[in-house]
Amino acid sequence: GAGVSQTPSNKVTEKGKYVELRCDPISGHTALYWYRQSLGQGPEFLIYFQGTGAADDSGLPNDRFFAVRPEGSVSTLKIQRTERGDSAVYLCASRETGGRELFFGEGSRLTVL
Amino acid sequence: AQRVTQPEKLLSVFKGAPVELKCNYSYSGSPELFWYVQYSRQRLQLLLRHISRESIKGFTADLNKGETSFHLKKPFAQEEDSAMYYCALKGTETSGSRLTFGEGTQLTVNP
Repeated sequence: GAGVSQTPSNKVTEKGKYVELRCDPISGHTALYWYRQSLGQGPEFLIYFQGTGAADDSGLPNDRFFAVRPEGSVSTLKIQRTERGDSAVYLCASRETGGRELFFGEGSRLTVL
Repeated sequence: AQRVTQPEKLLSVFKGAPVELKCNYSYSGSPELFWYVQYSRQRLQLLLRHISRESIKGFTADLNKGETSFHLKKPFAQEEDSAMYYCALKGTETSGSRLTFGEGTQLTVNP
């Protein structure tokens, strides 16, 4: 596929459960971003990877949130002990080295009951 | 800190009318500004960026550092312009490559 792919597209879980959201960036894109978008809000920055390392994780709201990108391609956002306030659309984006444009996926909609 | 403000959540115009979507920013350094658009059932995508000084789909935006604004304008709106528009800022100093988005403006162009 040519674009950023995110799975699952929808996830419904219960409060307290653990969730993983996956992002497959555009091939060759070294930069990868996670954003969270709550209803009626703009995308809110969570974390940015350059290659395998998290270059900026200052947007992660607390230690229940964690993200990895072990081989510099696919990334997984992990949320422990989910809370109802975690309900949102989680967006992933990638960017090529030296590029300025972010290419977004369609998002993973998380609903915590 | 960097902040983007879009004062209008909703904006409605008639086809053929001019449209202006407002964006103001707060940033102590020299920013890069972008407009992203999300059409119905599509993913968020770049519309234009200030450094390119380009016109895309008839839209233009000028960075006004004195007023810290980056308003998006189009002289004659079309129905297919109906979408959610987000203004975004990228800092060029210590904030790395993070993009900060505004809350968005839903534009509706009526026939």
